[in-house]
Amino acid sequence: DTGVSQNPRHKITKRGQNVTFRCDPISEHNRLYWYRQTLGQGPEFLTYFQNEAQLEKSRLLSDRFSAERPKGSFSTLEIQRTEQGDSAMYLCASSVPLGTSNYEQYFGPGTRLTVT
Amino acid sequence: DQQVKQNSPSLSVQEGRISILNCDYTNSMFDYFLWYKKYPAEGPTFLISISSIKDKNEDGRFTVFLNKSAKHLSLHIVPSQPGDSAVYFCAASVDANSGYALNFGKGTSLLVTP
Repeated sequence: DTGVSQNPRHKITKRGQNVTFRCDPISEHNRLYWYRQTLGQGPEFLTYFQNEAQLEKSRLLSDRFSAERPKGSFSTLEIQRTEQGDSAMYLCASSVPLGTSNYEQYFGPGTRLTVT
Repeated sequence: DQQVKQNSPSLSVQEGRISILNCDYTNSMFDYFLWYKKYPAEGPTFLISISSIKDKNEDGRFTVFLNKSAKHLSLHIVPSQPGDSAVYFCAASVDANSGYALNFGKGTSLLVTP
């Protein structure tokens, strides 16, 4: 499978715990995005990497959230001291094969987080 | 503020007929537009895109129309099939070449009945 993969697919945690999600983008893509989707809404942008550089962060990304892409390949999104309002689907997307102008973003299956 | 709006939460169409999904936007700086399809418990799947320099793009049964003066785009599916039943999201980006984030609408749930 050469698509975007995300792990875990589901995570249930208690309020106050830390959680970490992983995203593996399509291998030749140099851009990686994180989005959050809640019920009845479209995905909302959280942050974006070009290779290993984090170039943009949304105001939705509070201090409790941190994302990394250490070698420009996979990325992790960590949420510290989770709150019930963090319950959502966390989506990862990648785009732009090197040497092309194809800007479509391709999404992974998402990680469903439930904070109890 | 919602810069991309899909004002119809749901749409029901008979198999074989045309499905028309609409999307309006408020940011005149948007220059790249996309449609995604989403099944429950899956991530959005890219369908079709259009650059602001065009007013139409076609791919098989899917055609996207862009009316920049009205800040409106639409997705036409002809003929509609039961497998097209899903939630469709409209998305827009400023300066896609620079990797800007996608702004999504809230989605329209399409049901294609046999």
